[in-house]
Amino acid sequence: GDSVTQMEGPVTLSEEAFLTINCTYTATGYPSLFWYVQYPGEGLQLLLKATKADDKGSNKGFEATYRKETTSFHLEKGSVQVSDSAVYFCALSEASGTYKYIFGTGTRLKVLA
Amino acid sequence: NAGVTQTPKFQVLKTGQSMTLQCAQDMNHNSMYWYRQDPGMGLRLIYYSASEGTTDKGEVPNGYNVSRLNKREFSLRLESAAPSQTSVYFCASEGAKNIQYFGAGTRLSVL
Repeated sequence: GDSVTQMEGPVTLSEEAFLTINCTYTATGYPSLFWYVQYPGEGLQLLLKATKADDKGSNKGFEATYRKETTSFHLEKGSVQVSDSAVYFCALSEASGTYKYIFGTGTRLKVLA
Repeated sequence: NAGVTQTPKFQVLKTGQSMTLQCAQDMNHNSMYWYRQDPGMGLRLIYYSASEGTTDKGEVPNGYNVSRLNKREFSLRLESAAPSQTSVYFCASEGAKNIQYFGAGTRLSVL
């Protein structure tokens, strides 16, 4: 079945460091890929998405490229801030309304000043 | 703009008690979902509703029931709570382009 695998955390970085959080997936079709972020005490919110191979999603300085050949969707940011401390979830969705929305286990990021 | 609203935010139950978690969305979305979040396991789907009047089981439905009362509201009921149901519960609705919108969650402890 479909699955999403994320690197385990926690990831601890100093402010202005480069961030990579790895995400790979397995899927039978051609899913859309997402990164969601969860700040302490809140629900998840969409960070970025990509719907087809070679698409790049970007938002708030974060980027991820849909790589079909390596079935990956790694999250990157060139210079993290303390305010980026959160849990990041990689996810895939096969199609709208089918409930086939699979989340990874989440990666906790802590950024130190 | 309220989005997805969940109540209550916190709840403590004794084993065997029942309760209903409420969820409402004001974005006119057809699809709604209930997830549970446990450490190291990400989000697991309990039930979902593709449209008003329909509900289907997800990955971990045992011990839960749901009601899609109308297009806005989707409730989750625990008939006889067990310690294994201690978790954080999230309701979500799905809008255009498969984007899901989440409530702030309900933190449930079953003693």
